[in-house]
Amino acid sequence: QLQLQESGSGLVKPSQTLSLTCAVSGGSISSGGYSWSWIRQPPGKGLEWIGYIYHSGSTYYNPSLKSRVTISVDRSKNQFSLKLSSVTAADTAVYYCARVDPRRTIDYWGQGTLVTVSS
Amino acid sequence: DIQMTQSPSSLSASVGDRVTITCRASQGISNYLAWYQQKPGKVPKLLIYAASTLQSGVPSRFSGSGSGTDFTLTISSLQPEDVATYYCQKYNSAPFTFGQGTRLEIK
Repeated sequence: QLQLQESGSGLVKPSQTLSLTCAVSGGSISSGGYSWSWIRQPPGKGLEWIGYIYHSGSTYYNPSLKSRVTISVDRSKNQFSLKLSSVTAADTAVYYCARVDPRRTIDYWGQGTLVTVSS
Repeated sequence: DIQMTQSPSSLSASVGDRVTITCRASQGISNYLAWYQQKPGKVPKLLIYAASTLQSGVPSRFSGSGSGTDFTLTISSLQPEDVATYYCQKYNSAPFTFGQGTRLEIK
């Protein structure tokens, strides 16, 4: 059974960079046809798709966040990461990592981690 | 970018009622539409993909329809465990935008 687990700082100061890692177990991050995504959900609000990294390493980011987002993969550790720069209070959210299957729907989610932006 | 708009934003219905949630895309997306259910405090779960295909293990009271720009999620007989927020998501091309969600409660 595939499992995804987010980790990283739960508190980030404004203007700094948010960094999260998603460890994948029970399967390989290099499996063909899959992509690995980050999604966030501000408290009490809806889901916002941040971006993904394909198994080949190509990336796509939400245009609304593109200038601040980097998603990367570490195949040796079977994990992928999110960096979001110049954060503000509006970036406070539960951040989920997820696997996107070949038909491009989300079949596995991490449990989510709350990141608060505050001084 | 294509916008996804759900209606209503919230809904209250009685156990046994037929419930319908609508999702509209600002441009045609063929049938590249998924529905997710997020129960309070839980991770979203895929219910339907390709607009009308039920994910394995999802109760048959859930169904989806539509193509192009207009889609619906229907619960044929509402059960207490269906209390959740429901999201549509387009996946024809990135960005894989979600609708704003429909919160479903029991009356």
